[in-house]
Amino acid sequence: TQLLEQSPQFLSIQEGENLTVYCNSSSVFSSLQWYRQEPGEGPVLLVTVVTGGEVKKLKRLTFQFGDARKDSSLHITAAQPGDTGLYLCAGEGETSGSRLTFGEGTQLTVNP
Amino acid sequence: NAGVTQTPKFRILKIGQSMTLQCTQDMNHNYMYWYRQDPGMGLKLIYYSVGAGITDKGEVPNGYNVSRSTTEDFPLRLELAAPSQTSVYFCASSRDRVFTQYFGPGTRLTVL
Repeated sequence: TQLLEQSPQFLSIQEGENLTVYCNSSSVFSSLQWYRQEPGEGPVLLVTVVTGGEVKKLKRLTFQFGDARKDSSLHITAAQPGDTGLYLCAGEGETSGSRLTFGEGTQLTVNP
Repeated sequence: NAGVTQTPKFRILKIGQSMTLQCTQDMNHNYMYWYRQDPGMGLKLIYYSVGAGITDKGEVPNGYNVSRSTTEDFPLRLELAAPSQTSVYFCASSRDRVFTQYFGPGTRLTVL
């Protein structure tokens, strides 16, 4: 069974601060996705990374896939209250076919 | 496009009752998935389908059944509801295994 561990589980910061969320595993993943989920809604995809060492930027969000494709990080610069939500990483294992393994999520609260 | 729709949004069941959670997508996606999300947790895969007539078990299939007679519909059946099945259920679809998964708004189920 492939596991994805996210840290921290909870994060509460002030508007304007920077933060990093981590997603780690002992398994290798073919690709890794980051989703954001708001209360009462389904997750929405933010980014997919597929190459070891890949870095993708989405406005103030920077995503990195580890060189060994076992870990990933999400860095938010100058967080805003609109960034509040549950951030989930999800990995496609090398032998898991069409299934994603989800981490347990990081609940981010950005206070005005 | 409506995307992925789920009905009902909320439901309360008594122990031992049965129900079907409906899921429909209008994007002509081959892949469809059912997940459950317990409070403060990530998503656990229940069942998935790679096309009409083809279904397979995910991580937590016990107590559930699925069918996929059309590309659009992927209903999830609970035969004998148990309190452990209290959760939020999400249906998702994707064009292919490495593409974005689009999630429905979820069904919040309580079993008393």
